[in-house]
Amino acid sequence: DAGITQSPRHKVTETGTPVTLRCHQTENHRYMYWYRQDPGHGLRLIHYSYGVKDTDKGEVSDGYSVSRSKTEDFLLTLESATSSQTSVYFCAIRDRGLDTEAFFGQGTRLTVV
Amino acid sequence: AQSVSQHNHHVILSEAASLELGCNYSYGGTVNLFWYVQYPGQHLQLLLKYFSGDPLVKGIKGFEAEFIKSKFSFNLRKPSVQWSDTAEYFCAVGGSGNTGKLIFGQGTTLQVKP
Repeated sequence: DAGITQSPRHKVTETGTPVTLRCHQTENHRYMYWYRQDPGHGLRLIHYSYGVKDTDKGEVSDGYSVSRSKTEDFLLTLESATSSQTSVYFCAIRDRGLDTEAFFGQGTRLTVV
Repeated sequence: AQSVSQHNHHVILSEAASLELGCNYSYGGTVNLFWYVQYPGQHLQLLLKYFSGDPLVKGIKGFEAEFIKSKFSFNLRKPSVQWSDTAEYFCAVGGSGNTGKLIFGQGTTLQVKP
């Protein structure tokens, strides 16, 4: 398996609290992504990064922010968690070269109560 | 803008039946196309990919896909499914831009009955 670690793996948090999810890679890959997976919606791109400090919004970025201060770490922050953000969050990494495959982390199950 | 659409949301087949899952994409430039599989309780794994060249791509576990540029399609096929193919399947499109944006479809749940 590619060297991707997501933390935490499970989290329960209260509405209105900030939450940060971490994705750590040991592959030195250029691209990093955050997706959420919900039944009936597949994988939806939240934010992605194409280098240190280079990030862009995906399809469902409202209520989320990201930071990438080092190649190996990509943080996803829910600024004020809402119940609609209850989901499974996947981080993915991809090497430079547009035909390269993405490798996925094990996912973080987040429940907002 | 990039987008990808999978038309079959839930497919039920008997073992040995043939499979075809539809995938259509929208993108104005050169695309890179992927099919991923997610077995129950696991993360996504690559089945196959198309970047250029032969539009008929062969992947792992007997899967193949055909890129038809005129139809903006990249359908996944398997001649004879097995119970172990029960999983969720995702089509994805990556654009040719430098940002590496990668968009997934809604997914198709395949249930294979023994």
